[in-house]
Amino acid sequence: GQNIDQPTEMTATEGAIVQINCTYQTSGFNGLFWYQQHAGEAPTFLSYNVLDGLEEKGRFSSFLSRSKGYSYLLLKELQMKDSASYLCAVFNDYKLSFGAGTTVTVRA
Amino acid sequence: DSGVTQTPKHLITATGQRVTLRCSPRSGDLSVYWYQQSLDQGLQFLIQYYNGEERAKGNILERFSAQQFPDLHSELNLSSLELGDSALYFCASSDGRASGGHSQETQYFGPGTRLLVL
Repeated sequence: GQNIDQPTEMTATEGAIVQINCTYQTSGFNGLFWYQQHAGEAPTFLSYNVLDGLEEKGRFSSFLSRSKGYSYLLLKELQMKDSASYLCAVFNDYKLSFGAGTTVTVRA
Repeated sequence: DSGVTQTPKHLITATGQRVTLRCSPRSGDLSVYWYQQSLDQGLQFLIQYYNGEERAKGNILERFSAQQFPDLHSELNLSSLELGDSALYFCASSDGRASGGHSQETQYFGPGTRLLVL
């Protein structure tokens, strides 16, 4: 089975940094994705990790530790438009299994 | 704009009815995926097709079926609709060719079809 856990909600101030953790226990692993989803809209791709370590992409970075079944998404210099749900997803056997998502609210 | 198109955007129907949702993948992508997202559940994987053939199956009900056509567009058929089938249905596409990591496996999502069953 697949078990992917992430916090339900986080709140942060504009310009700050927020770290969204994701832990997973899955029957297999071929990579971990992070997606951003604004309410009522389609998920959009943010990052992909298949090897341990940090992947940096502008204001967003993602980290993976396969031995610990752990990943995080780091959002820097938060902007109001970053208020959204962030979805952690494990890719295995041609399938993406999503966590329930973390709703991030950015306050002015 | 991801390049994935879905029609219709909205659909309102009654219980017991049958509907068809349509998806066109990004140019060059061979894989199509269908997901259901309801308010009380996250994104649930339903089914995947690769180059016309079913490749993976998730929590898809027997009342639901899908297919991918030679031109690579896909349709999701939902029959004997129930109130609980009301949800956002997303289609996603990816390159899908022999696993090579990021560029082959990243899924790009269409705008979704919002289905309301009354």
